Amino acid sequence: TQLLEQSPQFLSIQEGENLTVYCNSSSVFSSLQWYRQEPGEGPVLLVTVVTGGEVKKLKRLTFQFGDARKDSSLHITAAQPGDTGLYLCAGPFNAGNNRKLIWGLGTSLAVNP
Amino acid sequence: KAGVTQTPRYLIKTRGQQVTLSCSPISGHRSVSWYQQTPGQGLQFLFEYFSETQRNKGNFPGRFSGRQFSNSRSEMNVSTLELGDSALYLCASSRGGVGNTEAFFGQGTRLTVV
Repeated sequence: TQLLEQSPQFLSIQEGENLTVYCNSSSVFSSLQWYRQEPGEGPVLLVTVVTGGEVKKLKRLTFQFGDARKDSSLHITAAQPGDTGLYLCAGPFNAGNNRKLIWGLGTSLAVNP
Repeated sequence: KAGVTQTPRYLIKTRGQQVTLSCSPISGHRSVSWYQQTPGQGLQFLFEYFSETQRNKGNFPGRFSGRQFSNSRSEMNVSTLELGDSALYLCASSRGGVGNTEAFFGQGTRLTVV
């Protein structure tokens, strides 16, 4: 069972469309991070949301952290082919005396020109 | 500031061989984590090293091992390679302090076992 569920798993859209992807959990997280990974490369950190209800904008990308800090969404406005990639969410999880990052399986986005 | 460097980028090995992958973290980062990524399985956590000590470990067999040196550079070793070990192996560095988990990844090593 994934602690972080991402949906949809795959998304293929045309350039200029808007989209929203989701990262949901039944657990409360102190923060959630969003990464984008391009084929053959490592994930790149986009943003960290920390406060319940927080909204952060990164150009055409809008990230929101749920009020209860159990979920987050990423909205892309007027998607471009350069937005193509795997979008991953991750959150810190207490494992015994240490913390480690828990990862969702990701949403694979393809933006067609 | 230099990013995370992983070497080699690509590797082809035969079943039964062993392999060592290297990761140089961002200067000042003391935590290095290793992940295996395969299509459909997502990022599978292997282990994390902090100040030369293994701090966390995932659910991988003992064939997978690692270590960290005093300069924070880390190596991962896989012995007796199996076909199923073919994957992208990613290294991530972070400052490693309590609550600081933002990860900065290298480009990965693509391992193919034939």
